[in-house]
Amino acid sequence: ETGVTQSPTHLIKTRGQQVTLRCSSQSGHNTVSWYQQALGQGPQFIFQYYREEENGRGNFPPRFSGLQFPNYSSELNVNALELDDSALYLCASSTKQGGMDEKLFFGSGTQLSVL
Amino acid sequence: GESVGLHLPTLSVQEGDNSIINCAYSNSASDYFIWYKQESGKGPQFIIDIRSNMDKRQGQRVTVLLNKTVKHLSLQIAATQPGDSAVYFCASDNAGNMLTFGGGTRLMVKP
Repeated sequence: ETGVTQSPTHLIKTRGQQVTLRCSSQSGHNTVSWYQQALGQGPQFIFQYYREEENGRGNFPPRFSGLQFPNYSSELNVNALELDDSALYLCASSTKQGGMDEKLFFGSGTQLSVL
Repeated sequence: GESVGLHLPTLSVQEGDNSIINCAYSNSASDYFIWYKQESGKGPQFIIDIRSNMDKRQGQRVTVLLNKTVKHLSLQIAATQPGDSAVYFCASDNAGNMLTFGGGTRLMVKP
């Protein structure tokens, strides 16, 4: 086990709804990254949070947004859900210190189905 | 743009044989590569990494080879075991753990 926990494990929403996914990072980690993994594909980088601010973003529209809290936990919010948003959403935590990044540790993900 | 791809979607090997999983990348500026193993219902798990100033790195039963000339890396698993059955991804990291993943290879180990 990596120590990265995500909730819920599974979620079903309908098109147009909004969803919030949660992640608790591994103890001591100050950076959280989110990835989207469609069925049969590799994960795609959504964004990264460091010290409660977005530190980098992949090719995802603004309706994908996030937060990082003082305890380094994080949320991923998706507005106006589309059918193509159906995927496994992975949270990964790591430590960024002195300009160096330690290894990423992934959670088991939240499986989102949009109907 | 950056892409990291794999040559074979599925690899089937006999238990005890060696496995080789290949990966090509397109960005010659990529300087750090990681191999991940993903089992059903779980997130990717770190296996081994390599920086661009190396061409080979060994771990326990695993070896990663990097050929920068042809922008190719491979993962070799020695004495493959049933527990090695999973999907394997290569990924490149150019900017602080913002990874670009390939599409994955499913390794199936036959007893």
